[in-house]
Amino acid sequence: NAGVTQTPKFQVLKTGQSMTLQCAQDMNHNSMYWYRQDPGMGLRLIYYSASEGTTDKGEVPNGYNVSRLNKREFSLRLESAAPSQTSVYFCASSERLAKETQYFGPGTRLLVL
Amino acid sequence: GQSLEQPSEVTAVEGAIVQINCTYQTSGFYGLSWYQQHDGGAPTFLSYNALDGLEETGRFSSFLSRSDSYGYLLLQELQMKDSASYFCAVRYNQGGKLIFGQGTELSVKP
Repeated sequence: NAGVTQTPKFQVLKTGQSMTLQCAQDMNHNSMYWYRQDPGMGLRLIYYSASEGTTDKGEVPNGYNVSRLNKREFSLRLESAAPSQTSVYFCASSERLAKETQYFGPGTRLLVL
Repeated sequence: GQSLEQPSEVTAVEGAIVQINCTYQTSGFYGLSWYQQHDGGAPTFLSYNALDGLEETGRFSSFLSRSDSYGYLLLQELQMKDSASYFCAVRYNQGGKLIFGQGTELSVKP
């Protein structure tokens, strides 16, 4: 099992460009999450999906959109990137929303110039 | 607002015991988790406390006092590979959303 995979690993964007971060899990989990981590900071929840077909805002959703494509895949889209979105983005999944263990992917390092 | 406080860094020697504290102030409380992160890689789950008391998993233990809004992670028989960042996280609603602390960087010296 690969667990949680994310693509790309690294990305450099110019201000105003758009991009989609991809995430997939092979653990048959119902719930998936997108976090961002800034230097010296903890993780902050951007959006989450309790189950296939549902998505909800987290702490810091502005400037992002998400799509739960199917049970395996959960993508994060930046429509018009800003330097403030420079961060490391982690996708995570859990068996269900209230299950305490979340499994994280390796992260996508994004630099917006 | 919601906040979690943990020390920014801790240093200890190999073989010793170290305790990383976490105090929280959140709108609700359903449990306290601990995660480990090496060199900015994927965080990995260590432990979870929903009720007061001590949970032990090998060399790692985690403690919770709900009345004090306080918990800690105890690492025993420290090894060099334990050098990492440790995050506490509170599940603050029934929906399972987590809020994370800023992390404690643990350095283990020979």
